[in-house]
Amino acid sequence: RKEVEQDPGPFNVPEGATVAFNCTYSNSASQSFFWYRQDCRKEPKLLMSVYSSGNEDGRFTAQLNRASQYISLLIRDSKLSDSATYLCVVNINAGNMLTFGGGTRLMVKP
Amino acid sequence: GAVVSQHPSRVICKSGTSVKIECRSLDFQATTMFWYRQFPKQSLMLMATSNEGSKATYEQGVEKDKFLINHASLTLSTLTVTSAHPEDSSFYICSASVINTGELFFGEGSRLTVL
Repeated sequence: RKEVEQDPGPFNVPEGATVAFNCTYSNSASQSFFWYRQDCRKEPKLLMSVYSSGNEDGRFTAQLNRASQYISLLIRDSKLSDSATYLCVVNINAGNMLTFGGGTRLMVKP
Repeated sequence: GAVVSQHPSRVICKSGTSVKIECRSLDFQATTMFWYRQFPKQSLMLMATSNEGSKATYEQGVEKDKFLINHASLTLSTLTVTSAHPEDSSFYICSASVINTGELFFGEGSRLTVL
């Protein structure tokens, strides 16, 4: 079983739609959680950290469920520019060693 | 914000040659840098952790004699792909961890094509 698992997609949604991605992690000792966005042939960029209480940044909402060991990302009012691959990233220890999920590809269509 | 510069962004080389990729933290000091490899349509895979002034720690399955990592200063780490083969063609990305905060920043990546 992979340490961090994501549905690879692609998720094809129309503009304005709401879309949600889930990510499961296997190590219950995982400490920090992030969502990164990666555009084709570019480096990943931090989208948002995921806090235990859940957090929101504009159209993006991230949630953490420690009991079930998954994190989620909700995107409301999708824009064409949201088309990208979204990487779930878990920090299993305190040494900044990040484990990446396989990524979920989102395609927002006009 | 903090910037990590990676060079070259794109390199094409012949099989059997060696290629060096540089990763620099431009406005902060990084005791730890990480090197990742990404094949098409796959996620980033950590290759090694580079610590300033000491030997790199390689992930299982990564050949340390093939992928030489040097972290000679707090702002520079290099990855040298030795005797490159076509199967080494990939996107290589570095990231640097800021001293004290541990915040992580990624380089722009280097696309290696071995003919």
